[in-house]
Amino acid sequence: DGGITQSPKYLFRKEGQNVTLSCEQNLNHDAMYWYRQDPGQGLRLIYYSQIVNDFQKGDIAEGYSVSREKKESFPLTVTSAQKNPTAFYLCASSMYGGSTDTQYFGPGTRLTVL
Amino acid sequence: EDKVVQSPLSLVVHEGDTVTLNCSYEVTNFRSLLWYKQEKKAPTFLFMLTSSGIEKKSGRLSSILDKKELFSILNITATQTGDSAIYLCAVVPWSGNTGKLIFGQGTTLQVKP
Repeated sequence: DGGITQSPKYLFRKEGQNVTLSCEQNLNHDAMYWYRQDPGQGLRLIYYSQIVNDFQKGDIAEGYSVSREKKESFPLTVTSAQKNPTAFYLCASSMYGGSTDTQYFGPGTRLTVL
Repeated sequence: EDKVVQSPLSLVVHEGDTVTLNCSYEVTNFRSLLWYKQEKKAPTFLFMLTSSGIEKKSGRLSSILDKKELFSILNITATQTGDSAIYLCAVVPWSGNTGKLIFGQGTTLQVKP
């Protein structure tokens, strides 16, 4: 079954802690993306990667970090520097990362900072 | 600054009603417009629109793009409770062919029995 998986589904952390969200895809897609979704604000791009070992900042990268050591994996670390980390995080992938590609989304991780 | 605006932000209808969701955009170097349906988890792809005036249709859902007036509409006829979801509109600019999407705020549709 091809698709995108994200784990965990729900995550709780205390203030001041770093936490890493997992995103894996077996679609053989080159490009992967991380979005943050807040109520009433739609999706905002955090980071994206069009190829292994390369990634670019999106619109709201501050307080986040990523790595892309393998084609199928694109983990996101939410650091203690992120001021308002409580949100729904969505990972997506697309075939080549070009403007004509459709992005496919994972089921998301809901992060709550206590 | 590029932006995508959806309206209404929320909508409550009864089964059998027809709804029209709006998406307007101001984006430099427009490439295409996408509609997604999000039911609590992963947004699922509905339509990609690139040309004006050509309706895309899938069952009770249809969508059309107007590149002159810079908007798109998503129509749902004979709504069912299973249509309840957030409908997201996103625009793809030709931004160095990165595939970056600019999303609107989403329209939350609730269909009551």
